[in-house]
Amino acid sequence: EADIYQTPRYLVIGTGKKITLECSQTMGHDKMYWYQQDPGMELHLIHYSYGVNSTEKGDLSSESTVSRIRTEHFPLTLESARPSHTSQYLCASSPNGRAEQFFGPGTRLTVL
Amino acid sequence: GENVEQHPSTLSVQEGDSAVIKCTYSDSASNYFPWYKQELGKRPQLIIDIRSNVGEKKDQRIAVTLNKTAKHFSLHITETQPEDSAVYFCAANGRDDKIIFGKGTRLHILP
Repeated sequence: EADIYQTPRYLVIGTGKKITLECSQTMGHDKMYWYQQDPGMELHLIHYSYGVNSTEKGDLSSESTVSRIRTEHFPLTLESARPSHTSQYLCASSPNGRAEQFFGPGTRLTVL
Repeated sequence: GENVEQHPSTLSVQEGDSAVIKCTYSDSASNYFPWYKQELGKRPQLIIDIRSNVGEKKDQRIAVTLNKTAKHFSLHITETQPEDSAVYFCAANGRDDKIIFGKGTRLHILP
């Protein structure tokens, strides 16, 4: 089934660890996005991509990095996690030529 | 810069009554206005959208209106039900194919 997937769904890690949050979509969308959201609160855009080898920083400053080597895959990496990174991370995608965004189920990250 | 303001931040209505959420946007070039519903612990889901070439759109109990001159758009939910309880986000398209979201409205349907 065409969808957008995120793994892991929940992650608890210690300060200083390096982590990668995975996002994959099987809808053939060119555009992909990462948002940070405290539960039920504002959506903050942290990274986006228009296609392979394209990555841009969003409106919220983030210490994370992203890559886009394949159309369907848009992983987000934190080199050294801190308690301030505790939040929910939502991945989204959008077809080329259209503005609708489709969201993944999210990864809830807790940094101790 | 591009901005979407959303009001109110919290709204409580009696079951069966109507709910209205209002948004304003700053970029006169915006021409696409989606609304997302996010239930507790779930992902945001697109529930309805409107483009700038129409002033109103309805889908069963929900409707959106758009006033391009005033840069206002609104979500109307009629005959509210318990399952309408959620956080609702309005949005407008901005430059570079980004979507600019409002800060959200937490809607409570009271029994």
